[in-house]
Amino acid sequence: QSVLTQPPSASATPGQRVTISCSGSSSNIGSNTVNWYQQLPGTAPKLLIYSFTQRPSGVPDRFSGSKSGTSASLAISGLQSEDEADYYCASWDDRLNGWVFGGGTKLTVL
Amino acid sequence: EVQLVESGGGLIQPGGSLRLSCAASGFTVSSNYMNWVRQAPGKGLEWVSLLHSDGRTNYADSVKGRFTISRDNPKNTLYLQMNSLRAEDTAVYYCAREGMDVWGQGTTVTVSS
Repeated sequence: QSVLTQPPSASATPGQRVTISCSGSSSNIGSNTVNWYQQLPGTAPKLLIYSFTQRPSGVPDRFSGSKSGTSASLAISGLQSEDEADYYCASWDDRLNGWVFGGGTKLTVL
Repeated sequence: EVQLVESGGGLIQPGGSLRLSCAASGFTVSSNYMNWVRQAPGKGLEWVSLLHSDGRTNYADSVKGRFTISRDNPKNTLYLQMNSLRAEDTAVYYCAREGMDVWGQGTTVTVSS
């Protein structure tokens, strides 16, 4: 059971916009930042979004993040076939004194 | 270029020990806090341990008392000493820099008889 809650799956057609949610609590998302990662099969996670909304250099602006209270969301617009991957949210948890992750969302591009 | 390269994984029997290494380049391990994260086959990501720049350590409850995180400053390398290994420790182990911004490619640990 993951500390952060994500939907296990999401799907959309090319060109559409999809949103993935990440629900936490006051000890993690409510008081610390959130990162989002993309993981392609057989590869290491890649940082997509940090500090809720910031994109590392090289990440397309089709990817965006937001926060509301103790939840965060990742939005992908102009969906492309290469966006098909697993997506994870992560945050520091003050109560557990460690990083916590969502269970991951498998995105399918139909 | 900032890079992390893990090594040391393999097949080990239950109850055995293994030491993972994470060689860093492009930045100084001792100036950052460093993490180990694992991913069991077909499962999600699980944070394992953290080593602060001042030497303090944190561990997930699942590995506390069995795993030890450390570093070798001259070698700019992070380690994870894993003792009393269990089947449920089977996973790909990643090292990751401070804010979880840079990850290695991972090393696979399989605990099985």
